[in-house]
Amino acid sequence: ETGVTQSPTHLIKTRGQQVTLRCSSQSGHNTVSWYQQALGQGPQFIFQYYREEENGRGNFPPRFSGLQFPNYSSELNVNALELDDSALYLCASSSPMSNYGYTFGSGTRLTVV
Amino acid sequence: GQQLNQSPQSMFIQEGEDVSMNCTSSSIFNTWLWYKQDPGEGPVLLIALYKAGELTSNGRLTAQFGTTRKDSFLNISASIPSDVGIYFCAEHNAGNMLTFGGGTRLMVKP
Repeated sequence: ETGVTQSPTHLIKTRGQQVTLRCSSQSGHNTVSWYQQALGQGPQFIFQYYREEENGRGNFPPRFSGLQFPNYSSELNVNALELDDSALYLCASSSPMSNYGYTFGSGTRLTVV
Repeated sequence: GQQLNQSPQSMFIQEGEDVSMNCTSSSIFNTWLWYKQDPGEGPVLLIALYKAGELTSNGRLTAQFGTTRKDSFLNISASIPSDVGIYFCAEHNAGNMLTFGGGTRLMVKP
């Protein structure tokens, strides 16, 4: 059983640029959630995707958007990057049957300069 | 929105010592979850609590759901070096999201 894989592991972008982060969910999981973890803080919920549609959103601006594909993998897109977007971005997959069994990936470390 | 306050923020203990950390909420919770995050990794679920007063163990870890439904604690007995990491409490709410506390960083001296 494969876990959650995220790519890339590290990324450096310039302020104002756009970035796409990718996530492959754990086998059997059809729900993907994205979290932003700033240095020294707990993860913060960005949004969740279920059946290729957004199924809940946290307090993040519209320049944070996402997609889920038929194979349940997902992308997180961030436009007009700001310095404060520098963080670890975590993807977590789950299924209605897993009852809080969110499996997290190792994250993508994004640095905006 | 709801807030989760974890304490202490960090702990530096001797190997073999017991550890206790807690989490309080500004509102009533229906679940309490405890996660551990190792450096360079995502959080891993340690214990899930579903009802007030519930006491659950997982090896050397024990967690309790407070009777007021606004607090929870996590105890680690006989700490070992691999216990090093950041421990987070979290709540899973009806909005399909996890709300995390700020974390307790645990350091263990061999």
